[in-house]
Amino acid sequence: SQTIHQWPATLVQPVGSPLSLECTVEGTSNPNLYWYRQAAGRGLQLLFYSVGIGQISSEVPQNLSASRPQDRQFILSSKKLLLSDSGFYLCAWTVGTNTEAFFGQGTRLTVV
Amino acid sequence: KNQVEQSPQSLIILEGKNCTLQCNYTVSPFSNLRWYKQDTGRGPVSLTIMTFSENTKSNGRYTATLDADTKQSSLHITASQLSDSASYICVVSVWGDYKLSFGAGTTVTVRA
Repeated sequence: SQTIHQWPATLVQPVGSPLSLECTVEGTSNPNLYWYRQAAGRGLQLLFYSVGIGQISSEVPQNLSASRPQDRQFILSSKKLLLSDSGFYLCAWTVGTNTEAFFGQGTRLTVV
Repeated sequence: KNQVEQSPQSLIILEGKNCTLQCNYTVSPFSNLRWYKQDTGRGPVSLTIMTFSENTKSNGRYTATLDADTKQSSLHITASQLSDSASYICVVSVWGDYKLSFGAGTTVTVRA
């Protein structure tokens, strides 16, 4: 069966520090991978998505970047965190188009 | 611009009562509509998925309806339980697109 792993679950980082969140998918090949951010009481905002290794589409210009070094690995990074980067980050995957999205458990990032 | 609007933003109901959540969308061309349940601090989990030709779909005490002509969907929760307390998110897919359009969600609080 397919599963998605996202870690860490919570993270507190000082302003200006780097960030690396990792997401891996098991049980499927060539998934579409997504990073979303959810502010408190708000909807999910698509940050990045990838339809293949090394291919990244950015939706929102910001302080973050994403990479896909392997087929089932998706990494969200920042060189220097801002206070505004605080939020709940979710990784998700789909296969093909128009299919169900499966989400990771999320990472609560607090930048202090 | 593809948009998904949900109402109400939040609601409180007593245990055992029913409630209905609304979702209006302007996504085109429409592929399918999903309702997700998101517990606090967790990733969303799919409840139902409906395509253009489907009017009603049930998953236990959850019943979703879709009117593709008016571009409206509803999620009805029957005999609510305390465990139904969560955010319910309406998600619409554009045909052939990898990206999903998310509503901001409705926060449901069930009280004993």
